[in-house]
Amino acid sequence: AQSVTQLDSQVPVFEEAPVELRCNYSSSVSVYLFWYVQYPNQGLQLLLKYLSGSTLVKGINGFEAEFNKSQTSFHLRKPSVHISDTAEYFCAVSPLENTDKLIFGTGTRLQVFP
Amino acid sequence: DGGITQSPKYLFRKEGQNVTLSCEQNLNHDAMYWYRQDPGQGLRLIYYSQIVNDFQKGDIAEGYSVSREKKESFPLTVTSAQKNPTAFYLCASRNSQGANTGELFFGEGSRLTVL
Repeated sequence: AQSVTQLDSQVPVFEEAPVELRCNYSSSVSVYLFWYVQYPNQGLQLLLKYLSGSTLVKGINGFEAEFNKSQTSFHLRKPSVHISDTAEYFCAVSPLENTDKLIFGTGTRLQVFP
Repeated sequence: DGGITQSPKYLFRKEGQNVTLSCEQNLNHDAMYWYRQDPGQGLRLIYYSQIVNDFQKGDIAEGYSVSREKKESFPLTVTSAQKNPTAFYLCASRNSQGANTGELFFGEGSRLTVL
């Protein structure tokens, strides 16, 4: 079975500061890794995904994430945040052999202040 | 534009009433999913369907029912047997043809409040 832990439920940050949202996962098999973003009262939108290859993945809106197999982590980073980045961010994993089983973390609310 | 349409966006119902949430997609995706979202709990899978006329229970199927009579449509019924139905419900779809990478496309959600 797989599980996902997002270590911070809320992350407050000032505009133009860097941010890191942490995600750790547990799995006995190889997995695909995802970050989704959810704006208030909306559905989720894919930010980026790691399938294979380079461990540094670049996504939309200037976000990137690094897959670290030894630490089973997939932390999301942005060097300079904007007010418009205020949203809920979800890390998710699915086993390669069963991509119907997408397991989500509990989410991290990023609040960007002016 | 291709996408997933959920309706209604907001719904209020009295306790004991069944409610059906609509989900339609024009992405030509085979697989469709229903998730429930509660504050602080992330998303939990209710039901999913990989193909027309077939569907499987997810992690929290009790008190819910679905049908998949057409590729484009995957309605969810919240029955009176669901003990705590007030939640935000999200429908998603996935292209299961070709490279199967698990990426989901989501609708904008339906917020159900049971009074």
